[in-house]
Amino acid sequence: DVKVTQSSRYLVKRTGEKVFLECVQDMDHENMFWYRQDPGLGLRLIYFSYDVKMKEKGDIPEGYSVSREKKERFSLILESASTNQTSMYLCASRVPADTEAFFGQGTRLTVV
Amino acid sequence: SQQGEEDPQALSIQEGENATMNCSYKTSINNLQWYRQNSGRGLVHLILIRSNEREKHSGRLRVTLDTSKKSSSLLITASRAADTASYFCATPWMDSSYKLIFGSGTRLLVRP
Repeated sequence: DVKVTQSSRYLVKRTGEKVFLECVQDMDHENMFWYRQDPGLGLRLIYFSYDVKMKEKGDIPEGYSVSREKKERFSLILESASTNQTSMYLCASRVPADTEAFFGQGTRLTVV
Repeated sequence: SQQGEEDPQALSIQEGENATMNCSYKTSINNLQWYRQNSGRGLVHLILIRSNEREKHSGRLRVTLDTSKKSSSLLITASRAADTASYFCATPWMDSSYKLIFGSGTRLLVRP
């Protein structure tokens, strides 16, 4: 079974901190995604990576950056956390075709 | 930029009844996917329908796709309390087939 693992289920950080959210997949997928999910807004794409060291902005990249140094790992970085980045963050991966995406369990981040 | 929008936003039915959720999208697509999310968890892929298909079944799920109306529907027959979840449609964004764009979801409550 494909497994996508996010490093934390719950995270509490202070305003201004640099925050790293890690995602690891074990199926050699080329594509990886970071979404944030807020009530009433569904899932919004922050960044995605179509291969190692390749990335592309999604709909809401402001305040975020990403890193993909190895194929299995895709990191989301909040350069200076703010309270409006309190949200559920979801990582996903898939092969680069019209196929299903596999999701991690999500990280609920609270910025205080 | 939301590609897909689900309707209704929320649905409450009795166990044993059928549940129908609709998804509308904006641009041409080559496939549409439906996902399920239990409360506070990651998303799980349910079914993928390609643009040359009009209907697809998987167990108690039936998905239809009308490309002329840019819409899809998900029917869950003989619903169970365990079907309580949020359901999302997802489509590839046509300026980049790598991107998978989700709608805002339908929250389904199945009352025992």
